Amino acid sequence: AQSVTQPDIHITVSEGASLELRCNYSYGATPYLFWYVQSPGQGLQLLLKYFSGDTLVQGIKGFEAEFKRSQSSFNLRKPSVHWSDAAEYFCAVGATSGTYKYIFGTGTRLKVLA
Amino acid sequence: EAGVTQFPSHSVIEKGQTVTLRCDPISGHDNLYWYRRVMGKEIKFLLHFVKESKQDESGMPNNRFLAERTGGTYSTLKVQPAELEDSGVYFCASSQVTGELFFGEGSRLTVL
Repeated sequence: AQSVTQPDIHITVSEGASLELRCNYSYGATPYLFWYVQSPGQGLQLLLKYFSGDTLVQGIKGFEAEFKRSQSSFNLRKPSVHWSDAAEYFCAVGATSGTYKYIFGTGTRLKVLA
Repeated sequence: EAGVTQFPSHSVIEKGQTVTLRCDPISGHDNLYWYRRVMGKEIKFLLHFVKESKQDESGMPNNRFLAERTGGTYSTLKVQPAELEDSGVYFCASSQVTGELFFGEGSRLTVL
């Protein structure tokens, strides 16, 4: 069955520390891959996406993610976290044909300590 | 260019009442999707329109939910009668052709 796993429900880091949010997926083929962020009171904002090509993807707000086919992973990283990064982060896989609908993970809530 | 807009942003209703959520996609986007997030769980697909046609409604939870997309423009999602378990955030998204979906800010529904 197709699924997305975000094993960390909550993560707390200190401001300035590095961050890695994990995402593993189960899908029949290489899907489209996405990371979204939802800040309090806001909608879903796309951080970055992977369709094909270079497996290291750069996104907005200093985030990057690396697609590892052998591990079925698409982990999100940031070298230095800012207090404004406190939010909930969602990994999603998208079908590459048909309806292009997404399957989301359960989200990781990030808390940033001053 | 305006993004995906959803209305209302928050609705509080009593169990048994009816609520209608509206989504205006990005102009020119033929594909429109509804998703829902029940508290603490993943965001789940509800259905997909291509223009005015329902392409995939496999995620609709039951027949208390009715989605329409008149003239292939805006879409409405009606819940009638609402139950407690319908509480959550309903997201709408649209896309042009392939791959990337653009999401609205969501409509939070609270059923008391």
